Amino acid sequence: QVQLVQSGADVKKPGASVRVSCKASGYTFTDNYFHWVRQAPGQGLEWMGWIDPNGGGTNYAQKFQGRVTMTRDTSISTAYMGLSSLRSDDTAIYYCARMVAGGMDVWGQGTTVTVSS
Amino acid sequence: EIVLTQSPGTLSLSPGERATLSCRASQSVRSTYLAWYQQKPGRAPRLLIHGASIRATGIPDRFIGSGSGTDFTLTISRLEPEDSAVYYCHQYTTSLTFGGGTKVEIK
Repeated sequence: QVQLVQSGADVKKPGASVRVSCKASGYTFTDNYFHWVRQAPGQGLEWMGWIDPNGGGTNYAQKFQGRVTMTRDTSISTAYMGLSSLRSDDTAIYYCARMVAGGMDVWGQGTTVTVSS
Repeated sequence: EIVLTQSPGTLSLSPGERATLSCRASQSVRSTYLAWYQQKPGRAPRLLIHGASIRATGIPDRFIGSGSGTDFTLTISRLEPEDSAVYYCHQYTTSLTFGGGTKVEIK
């Protein structure tokens, strides 16, 4: 079955960087864009950007430009989201999701990133 | 950036009742790129509706999406206990934004 499996929870200090992975299985990895969405504790969903796994093209939300980097490794069907200069308000659950026809139909289980000194 | 405003913030209804959730956009949204999601506590969001009115695979027909332009609606025709969740709309016309969510509570 189609699934996205994300890396495990991580704890970082302010100013550090984090990289979250998202491994796809059950379909052709390069067929669909990956989007990254985060959710701070008790808050709503916030879109961070997307990556086209076919060519590696990216589009980042303005809020994260300069801090976020999305990459992929087609040989292992894995997408990555890196976020630098972490602050306490980056503490959140980070999700990857596959986009099809205007909707995100498959989501990873989420990765909790905690930023704390 | 297109801002999506969802209302009401919380809806408390009994099983079998109809729930009407609103998603209003600050400018016109292409219906093709308007979607609705359901999120239960501790779970990832689940796609319910895309293209404003097309149910995703496996979604019961009590979930009905409608609307165009700046006004979109998700109707849950007959509430079931398992429909207790937060519901989000999103648009992908220009960039991508989510609404703030509507919490549906089942009495």
